[in-house]
Amino acid sequence: GAVVSQHPSRVICKSGTSVKIECRSLDFQATTMFWYRQFPKQSLMLMATSNEGSKATYEQGVEKDKFLINHASLTLSTLTVTSAHPEDSSFYICSARSQNSGNTIYFGEGSWLTVV
Amino acid sequence: QKEVEQNSGPLSVPEGAIASLNCTYSDRVSQSFFWYRQYSGKSPELIMSIYSNGDKEDGRFTAQLNKASQYVSLLIRDSQPSDSATYLCAVTGANGGATNKLIFGTGTLLAVQP
Repeated sequence: GAVVSQHPSRVICKSGTSVKIECRSLDFQATTMFWYRQFPKQSLMLMATSNEGSKATYEQGVEKDKFLINHASLTLSTLTVTSAHPEDSSFYICSARSQNSGNTIYFGEGSWLTVV
Repeated sequence: QKEVEQNSGPLSVPEGAIASLNCTYSDRVSQSFFWYRQYSGKSPELIMSIYSNGDKEDGRFTAQLNKASQYVSLLIRDSQPSDSATYLCAVTGANGGATNKLIFGTGTLLAVQP
């Protein structure tokens, strides 16, 4: 299957600081990427849809000024959690749609964010 | 009503048995259906995709789709302890397919007993 890579896999940051998570499609071009958040023992919640070259589309209840998404190229999308607080601690997962694979969506490895 | 519903489980089956996982969805215009497996602390990995009514087999896995009943299932034959994980059903949303965003169920926890 297609490969989607996320970095960092784990990050700890201080409350009030910002942290950036990268999502790369390694062997295909992705015009659309998706960002999810998952709290322990809960399902994946879609935060936003990232579109190459345009603004991201945020799901209801997700603060666009707090979760900044940039999709500057066909292989890279970034999520920046600004002014992080302990309640932002979660598992953040990106995914990318591969048009070469029947529009199948592949997931990155996920990034564990801990805000202390 | 949730858009995609799954029984949270846990579903416990003995090793070698058939595990049957079920999922219902509310949007009749949904076109694509996926089963993902997620181990604890890890990202989901795609197991099966299915787009048309009927059965689709891949190794020990069989996906079944019934659009009239808005029902999709996953059968795992000869279940192994390594199959123990949370199985997520996902359906494409009804936004015209422009972005094909996935709507996930809450997942079913499968425990295969040795």
